[in-house]
Amino acid sequence: DIQMTQSPSTLSASVGDRVTITCRASQSISTWLAWYQQKPGKAPKILIYKASSLQSGVPSRFSGSGSGTEFTLTISSLQPDDFATYYCQQYNSYWTFGQGTKVEIK
Amino acid sequence: EVQLEESGGGLVQPGGSLRLSCAASGFTVRTNYMSWVRQAPGKGPEWVSGLYSDGTTYYPDSVKGRFTISRDNSKNTLYLQMNSLRAGDTAIYYCATLRSYGGKQAFDSWGQGTVVTVSS
Repeated sequence: DIQMTQSPSTLSASVGDRVTITCRASQSISTWLAWYQQKPGKAPKILIYKASSLQSGVPSRFSGSGSGTEFTLTISSLQPDDFATYYCQQYNSYWTFGQGTKVEIK
Repeated sequence: EVQLEESGGGLVQPGGSLRLSCAASGFTVRTNYMSWVRQAPGKGPEWVSGLYSDGTTYYPDSVKGRFTISRDNSKNTLYLQMNSLRAGDTAIYYCATLRSYGGKQAFDSWGQGTVVTVSS
């Protein structure tokens, strides 16, 4: 089974900050990686797929990079609507999520 | 518009059974890849079953032999039969569609979830 590990678990930031979240896979997944945003009481919503492709309708301040086992999600200028929990998820072999990174207000 | 509505959750004793339903609208369950994903309190989501359009089913080891995914084409509804339930199965259960994202399947549309609590 492929394990996904995210860091940090919690991130405190202010509006306008540049934010970076890291995700590591236990084995190579090429670029079969997605990033999801989840708000309290809601289902996850896909932001990025194939490591760096922006889902339609998602603001361009979100970007993803990486391949193999190391990936990052970057929010270039944090907005009030971005305070949420973010999950990476591999879809190279079945599907596995990371444990999440909560972005909270500093 | 794709809509998914789960039902059937509730409180069940360890060792008990429960059947979840997911009523779909705006698309045809039979011709799509479908899945169930659960999320325990404070944890990341966990995939628990998949059903492809050709009828092939997939499960992770954590639920294999206990959970069964199926569909009723006439009702355009997805099901998850859960047997031999354990405390560790306590979670919100979502049904979700799978679609190709760059060449492989990832989760696309999700329902609002139904809560399953396994406790004596």
